[in-house]
Amino acid sequence: EVQLVQSGPQLKKPGESLKISCKGYGYKFDDHRIGWVRQMPGKGLEWMGLIHPADSETTYSPSFQGRVTFSADKSIDTAYLEWSSLEASDTATYYCARRGCTASSCYLFFEFWGQGTPVTVSS
Amino acid sequence: DIQMTQSPSSLSASVGDRVTITCRASQGISTFLAWYQQKPGKPPKLLIYGASTLHSGVPSRFSGSGSLTDFTLTISSLQPEDVATYYCHKYNSAPLTFGGGTKVEI
Repeated sequence: EVQLVQSGPQLKKPGESLKISCKGYGYKFDDHRIGWVRQMPGKGLEWMGLIHPADSETTYSPSFQGRVTFSADKSIDTAYLEWSSLEASDTATYYCARRGCTASSCYLFFEFWGQGTPVTVSS
Repeated sequence: DIQMTQSPSSLSASVGDRVTITCRASQGISTFLAWYQQKPGKPPKLLIYGASTLHSGVPSRFSGSGSLTDFTLTISSLQPEDVATYYCHKYNSAPLTFGGGTKVEI
């Protein structure tokens, strides 16, 4: 069974750094891109970007380019989302998600989702 | 960048009603369109991909249609467990934008 398990809730102060994780189970982690999605309190879903764990190739949404960093360690089947300096506006729940596959190919819709990591940034 | 516009932003219907949600892309995306259901405090769940292919395990009262710029998610007979927010999602090329969401209530 495919599962994505994310790290726990975080409470941080503005200016602090943070790295949250997403560990994959039940499939070959190298084979599938992982996406990151932000959901601010009471708001909709925002696509942040993608990382391919096999070679750490990244694609960022223009809205998040330069604000966050994606990384992956394929030796432990884990992807990461990192901030170097948090702002209050980063308060949100962050989801990782794995792309979906049909019988013939794989595409960039999200078939499997992590449980979400709530991040609160407050002084 | 291609924008995804969902309508309505919210709706209220009765159990057994037919419910239709629309999603419009600002440029053609073929059928690279997915729909998700999200309940409060939970991650989204994939309902439909390829504009009209029902994901495994999703009840058959859900259906999707459309291509290029205009897409529809239909719930043929609304059930109490369908109370949720629904999102469309284009996935043909980056950025892979979500629609703004439609909150469905009973």
